[in-house]
Amino acid sequence: GESVGLHLPTLSVQEGDNSIINCAYSNSASDYFIWYKQESGKGPQFIIDIRSNMDKRQGQRVTVLLNKTVKHLSLQIAATQPGDSAVYFCAEGDDKIIFGKGTRLHILP
Amino acid sequence: DAGVIQSPRHEVTEMGQEVTLRCKPISGHNSLFWYRQTMMRGLELLIYFNNNVPIDDSGMPEDRFSAKMPNASFSTLKIQPSEPRDSAVYFCASSRDREAEAFFGQGTRLTVV
Repeated sequence: GESVGLHLPTLSVQEGDNSIINCAYSNSASDYFIWYKQESGKGPQFIIDIRSNMDKRQGQRVTVLLNKTVKHLSLQIAATQPGDSAVYFCAEGDDKIIFGKGTRLHILP
Repeated sequence: DAGVIQSPRHEVTEMGQEVTLRCKPISGHNSLFWYRQTMMRGLELLIYFNNNVPIDDSGMPEDRFSAKMPNASFSTLKIQPSEPRDSAVYFCASSRDREAEAFFGQGTRLTVV
């Protein structure tokens, strides 16, 4: 069956450093992947998406990498800031959007 | 647009009572999703609609849960009777189409005592 999972539940990063959050998926037929950010007390917020015909996509300070061979997805955040503290979810989204468990990003001063 | 609007923001109810959660999706979006979030189980998809029609309700926990979408601008999630294990944050989200980003509401925090 399809599933989306995360390697690490918590990631601590020094302010100003780059953050890398990883995600593994099992459904090789998935066409669409999304990263969401959830701050305390709020709903998930879209960060960036990527389709299966791409292996890299860049946004403002964020990059998503897709490796279909090993079914791996990563989110890179450049120059991490205190405002990046949140839980980050990867999700598979074809007809319906299925979320992974989430990784908490903690920014060290 | 005001985004996805959910009501109430908080609900405390006694076990056995009926609970109705409400959602107004973003105008023009034709897919609507209901999720439940708990510490133990994370974000679980309960049901989703496309053009007001329920497409997949396989995530609905049991018959005590039901969802409706009578028109493109309104959906409800009902729990009857409610139980303490239903305590969670319930999110509604909408998207303009499949394979498109979903926009989430602020959620309803439900506590069943």
